[in-house]
Amino acid sequence: DQQVKQNSPSLSVQEGRISILNCDYTNSMFDYFLWYKKYPAEGPTFLISISSIKDKNEDGRFTVFLNKSAKHLSLHIVPSQPGDSAVYFCAASLMDSNYQLIWGAGTKLIIKP
Amino acid sequence: DVKVTQSSRYLVKRTGEKVFLECVQDMDHENMFWYRQDPGLGLRLIYFSYDVKMKEKGDIPEGYSVSREKKERFSLILESASTNQTSMYLCASSFPQHFGDGTRLSIL
Repeated sequence: DQQVKQNSPSLSVQEGRISILNCDYTNSMFDYFLWYKKYPAEGPTFLISISSIKDKNEDGRFTVFLNKSAKHLSLHIVPSQPGDSAVYFCAASLMDSNYQLIWGAGTKLIIKP
Repeated sequence: DVKVTQSSRYLVKRTGEKVFLECVQDMDHENMFWYRQDPGLGLRLIYFSYDVKMKEKGDIPEGYSVSREKKERFSLILESASTNQTSMYLCASSFPQHFGDGTRLSIL
């Protein structure tokens, strides 16, 4: 039973446009959400996070939106750059879980020149 | 900056061998994690540890064991390697989790 779902295996976006990556979850008790970026043959890199008490968090070109009623979060990248081409993972955390993360399957983002 | 170091980037072993994957972190973190990553399946937690000599099973512990004798080092052990354990293995520590570069393990 997948608690965190990324329904798009891949996404192709023109350079300079906005990239929107989506993530859905089923457990309303999740209290923290994170996005990671992964290049081939490297470990994932932490990108941005959001607490369940907020609905938006911004860091430079990256913004994460949380819609608790819909159990949905999204990562916006604007403007998209060639270096953003990577696999993006969404992850969720439960308080008192020893910092375990529940991961989505990932979305491969391809930025076209 | 947090540094998580995995001992090998690439490893090739034979079926039935005992395989050791080592992970070291340099920030005195209590929590450490071992995952495997397979295409289309995301990251699956094998084991984690929240303190020295403490370990907890993750989602797919079968065929694996771990050792945490010192805070900075978390080892993953494949007791008798099988071909279905061919995968990318990732170690992480802290929260948010910081990852090593991974070990691409092939079992022949």
